[in-house]
Amino acid sequence: DAGVIQSPRHEVTEMGQEVTLRCKPISGHNSLFWYRQTMMRGLELLIYFNNNVPIDDSGMPEDRFSAKMPNASFSTLKIQPSEPRDSAVYFCASVSGQNYGYTFGSGTRLTVV
Amino acid sequence: TQLLEQSPQFLSIQEGENLTVYCNSSSVFSSLQWYRQEPGEGPVLLVTVVTGGEVKKLKRLTFQFGDARKDSSLHITAAQPGDTGLYLCAENTGGFKTIFGAGTRLFVKA
Repeated sequence: DAGVIQSPRHEVTEMGQEVTLRCKPISGHNSLFWYRQTMMRGLELLIYFNNNVPIDDSGMPEDRFSAKMPNASFSTLKIQPSEPRDSAVYFCASVSGQNYGYTFGSGTRLTVV
Repeated sequence: TQLLEQSPQFLSIQEGENLTVYCNSSSVFSSLQWYRQEPGEGPVLLVTVVTGGEVKKLKRLTFQFGDARKDSSLHITAAQPGDTGLYLCAENTGGFKTIFGAGTRLFVKA
């Protein structure tokens, strides 16, 4: 199994531009999570899906952030327009219904200049 | 709101030393996980503890869950440079939603 796959690994963009982060969860895992990690705030849950349905998006910072999961093997997190304060490492994680622990991807390091 | 506090925030030790890091909660855990995160990578699950008083061992790592299920510790024996990383505790708050502590950043010098 290739694990949770995220792309791109690094993204540098200018303020105001649209950014799309992508995630492919582990096959058979029915829950998917988007986290953001910064030195100041640690790991923050943004949104999670169960069976492709958004369950809790209370962590999404504001309307500039949106996430979709069109099928069981793909999810996107979009920021439009991006701002410098969005600079962080964004992680995707998935878990099966039988296990408490997450499997994380390697993350996308986003820098907004 | 459940809060997880980890201590110490940072620890720098020599190879071969023993260490313990702690995770405390403002309320009772349902279950608790420990993860290790290396630079440039995502956190990797080490262990899940569920029962109060539970002790689990993973080679040189010993994980303990408090009897009251409000605290946990991770003890590393004879630390090695490969143990360097960010150690995170996490709690499942229901519906697979998990919150993370701020972590203990460990550096083991050769």
